[in-house]
Amino acid sequence: DIQMTQSPSSLSASVGDRVTITCRASQSISAYLNWYQQKPGKAPNLLIYAASSLQSGVPSRFSGSGSGTDFTLTISSLQPEDYGNFYCQQNYNTPLTFGGGTKVEIK
Amino acid sequence: QVQLVQSGAEVKKPGASVKVSCKASGYSFTSYDIYWVRQATGQGLDWMGWMNPHNGNTGYAQRFQGRVTMTRITSVSTAYLELSSLRSEDTAVYYCARALPTRAVDPWGQGTLVTVSS
Repeated sequence: DIQMTQSPSSLSASVGDRVTITCRASQSISAYLNWYQQKPGKAPNLLIYAASSLQSGVPSRFSGSGSGTDFTLTISSLQPEDYGNFYCQQNYNTPLTFGGGTKVEIK
Repeated sequence: QVQLVQSGAEVKKPGASVKVSCKASGYSFTSYDIYWVRQATGQGLDWMGWMNPHNGNTGYAQRFQGRVTMTRITSVSTAYLELSSLRSEDTAVYYCARALPTRAVDPWGQGTLVTVSS
């Protein structure tokens, strides 16, 4: 199974800050990488697919980059509604696997 | 709009089975795979497997093999997850989700809490 490692595991940032979350795969996964946001008590919501494509309806302050084993999710200007847990997920092969998550808190 | 609506919470005893339903609306049910993902309280996301609603083909994560069955009834656009030989470690929220052609997942159902307790 492909292991996905996210860092940091948590962060606290202020509104307007630039926030970066990284995800590393245990082997090359090309660009088969997706990002999700999950708010407490809710299902995850797709933000980015294929490493850098913005899902329809997702604000443009979210962006993704990377290929191979190293990937980044960036929030260009953190907003009050951007709290929650963020997960990366590889879909290079099955079993699909997720990173352990990054908890984002708003100061 | 595209929506997946799941059945309600369940409480089961160890050794029992549970069956969770997932009703799709707003799109052609047979055109997209369905994934099942579970999440224990305070934990991360754990992919269980996939089902093709068109032909019923399935693929399960190794750790669930022999205990999990994914089925569907196309006439009512509903997918089902059955998990048997339940143990306390199976206590979790179970999500169904639509798999896009890119194998990204969108949308997700609202989740079904399954509690396994004696």
